[in-house]
Amino acid sequence: QSALTQPRSVSGSPGQSVTISCTGTSSDVGGYNYVSWYQLHPGKVPKLMIYHVSERPSGVPDRFSGSKSGNTASLTISGLQAEDEADYYCCSYAGRYSYVFGTGTKVTVL
Amino acid sequence: QVQLVESGGGVVQPGGSLRLSCGASGFTFNTYGMHWVRHSPGKGLEWVAFIRYDGTDTDYADSVRGRFTVSRDNSKHTLYLQMSSLRTEDTAVYSCVKDPSSGYFFDSWGQGTLVTVSS
Repeated sequence: QSALTQPRSVSGSPGQSVTISCTGTSSDVGGYNYVSWYQLHPGKVPKLMIYHVSERPSGVPDRFSGSKSGNTASLTISGLQAEDEADYYCCSYAGRYSYVFGTGTKVTVL
Repeated sequence: QVQLVESGGGVVQPGGSLRLSCGASGFTFNTYGMHWVRHSPGKGLEWVAFIRYDGTDTDYADSVRGRFTVSRDNSKHTLYLQMSSLRTEDTAVYSCVKDPSSGYFFDSWGQGTLVTVSS
C-alpha cells in the first residue's frame, strides 16, 4: 500500500493547460479502472473532480478531464482559472475494500 | 442532504488511545459502507479503514492494521474508529466518508476531527 506518485507541484498561466500524473502499480492504478481525483482548498472538504478514470460528476466544469495508460493516470485542467489553484490528489481502488491515495500536487496559477 | 459530523478528536500521548465518532444523517445509513480517511500536512490524504453496511466485514490500511478498529451502530446512525497504540505519525484530521452506491470513489465527506499525538 505505497502512496501513488504525483509531482509535488505544477503551475500555469490563466488559460493554459496543466496535466498532473499519478503513477502506481498493476495492483492499483493499472489493475482497475477506478481512479478518482480530488480538489482540496484549505479548510474545505475534498471535492470529487473525476471518478472511474474519466467520468465527471455533475457540476464539475468540462475543462477537467481524466485518462489512464498502464499504471499511470492523469488529470488535465484546460483553460486554467484562478479558482483552480488548490491541492489535487488521485486515488485508486486497490482490491477488496482498500484504496490508495497519491502524494498530492499543488497547482499554482501564475 | 448527506451530513456527516465527526467528534472525539483531541490531544493524546504516544501509546495512548482515542475513540472517534461520526454521526450520519440525510441518507439510509444502514445500507451504505463507510470509510475513515485522514489528512495530514506531511503525508496528505490516506485511506484508513472501511466497514460494510451491516458491519460484517472490515478492511484497514497496513499502517493502522492491528491498532485501529472500525465499527458502527446502525440503530444510532453512528460510525466509530477506536484508535490505540497511537503514534506521532497518526496526527491528522480524520474524516468519515460515505461509500457511494456505485462504488470506488468518495463523494460525501465530513469536516473531520483533529487528532494530535504528542508528548
